[in-house]
Amino acid sequence: GEDVEQSLFLSVREGDSSVINCTYTDSSSTYLYWYKQEPGAGLQLLTYIFSNMDMKQDQRLTVLLNKKDKHLSLRIADTQTGDSAIYFCAERLGSQGGKLIFGQGTELSVKP
Amino acid sequence: NAGVTQTPKFQVLKTGQSMTLQCAQDMNHNSMYWYRQDPGMGLRLIYYSASEGTTDKGEVPNGYNVSRLNKREFSLRLESAAPSQTSVYFCASRVPIKADREDGYTFGSGTRLTVV
Repeated sequence: GEDVEQSLFLSVREGDSSVINCTYTDSSSTYLYWYKQEPGAGLQLLTYIFSNMDMKQDQRLTVLLNKKDKHLSLRIADTQTGDSAIYFCAERLGSQGGKLIFGQGTELSVKP
Repeated sequence: NAGVTQTPKFQVLKTGQSMTLQCAQDMNHNSMYWYRQDPGMGLRLIYYSASEGTTDKGEVPNGYNVSRLNKREFSLRLESAAPSQTSVYFCASRVPIKADREDGYTFGSGTRLTVV
């Protein structure tokens, strides 16, 4: 079945770049997403990429998509303590009404 | 414009009790979803409703029922709560897909449910 995998934890120093990785299985996925969840809050859409794109940049965020390897990454430049959160990768299925399948989430810890 | 509103925010139930989680959106979205979030497991889809009057099972529907009361509201019911249903529940809604535009899902702030 469909599956999305992420590593569970990442720790970086303030000012460094963070790279969060994700792999997915559905080759017919149309969109891939990155969501951010702060403690006690819901999920906030950070950015997304259409499956026919290789890269998308949005201010400090860069999304890279390797469709052949089904690998997605999120790079956060100049990481700040306010970036500490859980980051979820998600794929929109090409079938089944376009449901979103989420990864387990990567907890990003930014140390001063 | 409140987005997606979930009630209650917190709830403690005893095993065997029933309750309904409420969700409403004011964005005129067609599709609505219920997810549960458990540590280390991400979000898993319980049920979804592609449009008013339709509902479908997701990955983990057992022990739950849903009602799409109208376009705005999509409720999740636990008929006989079990400790395994202790979780954080999120409701979400989505705009219809349009060419070259993708707004993703809008999530509510969640309901933290504990079953003892």
